[in-house]
Amino acid sequence: GDSVTQTEGLVTLTKGLPVMLNCTYQTTYSPFLFWYVQHLNEAPKLLLKSSTDNKRTEHQGFYATLHKSSSSFHLQKSSVQLSDSALYFCALSPYGGSGNKLIFGTGTLLSVKP
Amino acid sequence: GPKVLQIPSHQIIDMGQMVTLNCDPVSNHLYFYWYKQILGQQMEFLVNFYNGKVMEKSKLFKDQFSVERPDGSYFTLKIQPTALEDSAVYFCASKTTNTGQLYFGEGSKLTVL
Repeated sequence: GDSVTQTEGLVTLTKGLPVMLNCTYQTTYSPFLFWYVQHLNEAPKLLLKSSTDNKRTEHQGFYATLHKSSSSFHLQKSSVQLSDSALYFCALSPYGGSGNKLIFGTGTLLSVKP
Repeated sequence: GPKVLQIPSHQIIDMGQMVTLNCDPVSNHLYFYWYKQILGQQMEFLVNFYNGKVMEKSKLFKDQFSVERPDGSYFTLKIQPTALEDSAVYFCASKTTNTGQLYFGEGSKLTVL
């Protein structure tokens, strides 16, 4: 079935360092991939989305490239800030699949230290 | 940006009671969803709703759960009766099209005692 895998549960970094949060997916349909960010006690908010193979998408300093050959959509930032501390979810919408639902990974908690 | 409103933000009830969680989706949106999140964990799909009907539901959407959206009113999630394991934050979400962006509400935190 359709699924999303995020391998890191917790990533702790010092401010100013680069980060990459891993995301891989499985689907037999044409995938739409999303990254959502959820700050403490808030709703998840869309950070990035893509359905185009090998095209980098960017927003608020974060970027990701959908690679269909490796079924990956890793999230990166060149220099993290304290305000980036949050829970990050990778999500898959298997277009053409049943239900049009968004399938979330287990999430990666990013903790940025001064 | 577009806002999805959820009422109440917090609800504490005794096990066995009924609860209704209300969602006011973005006005021109057609697809509605409920997700369940236990503290800081994965967002788990419960159900989606389109054109007055449930399109798909997960195993978490037990027989005690129901959803509806009477014309012009809230999209509701009702749990009757509630169980201890229903304690979680329930997020409502909506979108315009099949492949559109999903907008989430702030969540309704349900505590079942």
